[in-house]
Amino acid sequence: EVQLVESGGGLVQPGRSLRLSCAASGFTFDDYAMHWVRQAPGKGLEWVSGISWNSGSIGYADSVKGRFTISRDNAKNSLYLQMNSLRAEDTALYYCAKDMSTVILVDAFDIWGQGTMVTVSS
Amino acid sequence: DIVMTQTPLSSPVTLGQPASISCRSSQSLVHSDGNTYLSWLQQRPGQPPRLLIYKISNRFSGVPDRFSGSGAGTDFTLKISRVEAEDVGVYYCMQATQFPPRFGQGTKVEIK
Repeated sequence: EVQLVESGGGLVQPGRSLRLSCAASGFTFDDYAMHWVRQAPGKGLEWVSGISWNSGSIGYADSVKGRFTISRDNAKNSLYLQMNSLRAEDTALYYCAKDMSTVILVDAFDIWGQGTMVTVSS
Repeated sequence: DIVMTQTPLSSPVTLGQPASISCRSSQSLVHSDGNTYLSWLQQRPGQPPRLLIYKISNRFSGVPDRFSGSGAGTDFTLKISRVEAEDVGVYYCMQATQFPPRFGQGTKVEIK
């Protein structure tokens, strides 16, 4: 079964850091680009960051650039998001998503995890 | 950045009747490789998003054929031929032609 399972969310104070993980199974992880997408409570979807299959191409939303770092470990079938200098506006459900493409960075997101909640509050 | 605008934002529909959602982009979504990276996702209440349609009109695996996508350039449409109770949720269009990828605001489909 194709599956993505996120972990690492929680309650954190403004200015602190958190590291999210996404464990993939059921597909050849190192063939595909991977992404993080977030959804603030009651709001729509916002793409956060994406990484190509070999980590050669990486992109960030302007809202997180310089604070968040995406990475992957193909040997462990895992995707990560290091989040530093967290702000209240980063509060959201963070989804890990698999891209359909084996060639370009972004095509369409065909598999999604259940998400991990990040709450930034003092 | 490309802006994606969906209409309507809310769509009350009668079971068994059709529904249609429009998505307009602020720039053409035709990529230099000739593809148009416009997809549609469904998010049922309390669930993660689910891919329905990719590259304008290609139905993803397991998606019922009552869902169809069409359009070109800057104007796209998702149609549900006969709405069923399980179709209740929020529908998003997404563009991936130009960086950064962007979602529409979402259209809530509910039963009258």
